[in-house]
Amino acid sequence: DGGITQSPKYLFRKEGQNVTLSCEQNLNHDAMYWYRQDPGQGLRLIYYSQIVNDFQKGDIAEGYSVSREKKESFPLTVTSAQKNPTAFYLCASSAPRGSAQPQHFGDGTRLSIL
Amino acid sequence: ELKVEQNPLFLSMQEGKNYTIYCNYSTTSDRLYWYRQDPGKSLESLFVLLSNGAVKQEGRLMASLDTKARLSTLHITAAVHDLSATYFCAVDRDDKIIFGKGTRLHILP
Repeated sequence: DGGITQSPKYLFRKEGQNVTLSCEQNLNHDAMYWYRQDPGQGLRLIYYSQIVNDFQKGDIAEGYSVSREKKESFPLTVTSAQKNPTAFYLCASSAPRGSAQPQHFGDGTRLSIL
Repeated sequence: ELKVEQNPLFLSMQEGKNYTIYCNYSTTSDRLYWYRQDPGKSLESLFVLLSNGAVKQEGRLMASLDTKARLSTLHITAAVHDLSATYFCAVDRDDKIIFGKGTRLHILP
């Protein structure tokens, strides 16, 4: 079955450490997205990519970095510059706008500070 | 800047009652999405609304879109406990999809 796989499910970060969250999709979607969700809050867009080797900052990109070297993969690095990284991180992908399909979401990674 | 506002943000209601969640957005968009999220889980797509006057129904949930008023509604008919969840609307503009803060729905038996 096609879908989005995020790993790990839970991640702990030590102070000063960079950590990378994995997101892989086999839906053949061009567009991929990273969102952050804080408890009781909506989703805020961190980065998005419409095509391989290209990505744009979302609303809260500071302290995060991404790469898009392959269509299937869109890893997110939470750098030490992100002082409050504890949150639920969701990766999504979508078909072209003309398809009128919703975004598909992975199961999320819950990141906490040690 | 596109803003998406939902209200109410929290709703506690009795089983069997009807209620409506509202989603307003600040700039023009040609599509609107409704999602459901259960606690600790990811988002599940409910509806995609593509044009003015669009109405979609699935079970006890019905969504509608008024692009002129920049308003979408999610109507719950004869609520049951299984519908307890957080419901998000999201609006598509310029390759970005912006989410509202969500409406946390708690249905009391």
